[in-house]
Amino acid sequence: NAGVTQTPKFQVLKTGQSMTLQCAQDMNHEYMSWYRQDPGMGLRLIHYSVGAGITDQGEVPNGYNVSRSTTEDFPLRLLSAAPSQTSVYFCASSSTAGGGGNQPQHFGDGTRLSIL
Amino acid sequence: GQQVMQIPQYQHVQEGEDFTTYCNSSTTLSNIQWYKQRPGGHPVFLIQLVKSGEVKKQKRLTFQFGEAKKNSSLHITATQTTDVGTYFCAASGSARQLTFGSGTQLTVLP
Repeated sequence: NAGVTQTPKFQVLKTGQSMTLQCAQDMNHEYMSWYRQDPGMGLRLIHYSVGAGITDQGEVPNGYNVSRSTTEDFPLRLLSAAPSQTSVYFCASSSTAGGGGNQPQHFGDGTRLSIL
Repeated sequence: GQQVMQIPQYQHVQEGEDFTTYCNSSTTLSNIQWYKQRPGGHPVFLIQLVKSGEVKKQKRLTFQFGEAKKNSSLHITATQTTDVGTYFCAASGSARQLTFGSGTQLTVLP
């Protein structure tokens, strides 16, 4: 049972480049989310989804797009990378009982992204 | 969105000493969760508190939810080197969004 799988684990980009961070879960969870983690700031919610075809913005959505075509996958797209997007990105999933955001979250191992 | 303040930001203790981290909100929380993140790792769910005044224990860890459901604490008795990591509280104001505190980074000196 793989849980939440994120790829790649590390990535270096140049300013202005675009890329997609992949996230897949095999627990049949309806709720999936993306966080970024910066030193001293905890985890900040970027986007989330309560099911296939449904996405919504979190606290820091600017510069990122998401889509949810299947229950299993929730990719995060950086449209035009900026140095301020250098961070560690975590994908998480949970059941949607009670809304999803108030359920225990299962996190992937993260993607460490550097923008030069 | 929901705001949760967590203190202290850093804590260094000698092995065997106790450790406490606190999480506070200006608004009533429906529930609070606690996570642990080891250095270089990902957050791992520890526990969820839902009821006013709730106290839960996991071995040397004691979790409390305040009577007004505006604060919570995590206490570790007799820390061990395996307790090293960052401890986060997280709360959901909207049932669809989980907001994390900034975390307390625990260092245990042998």
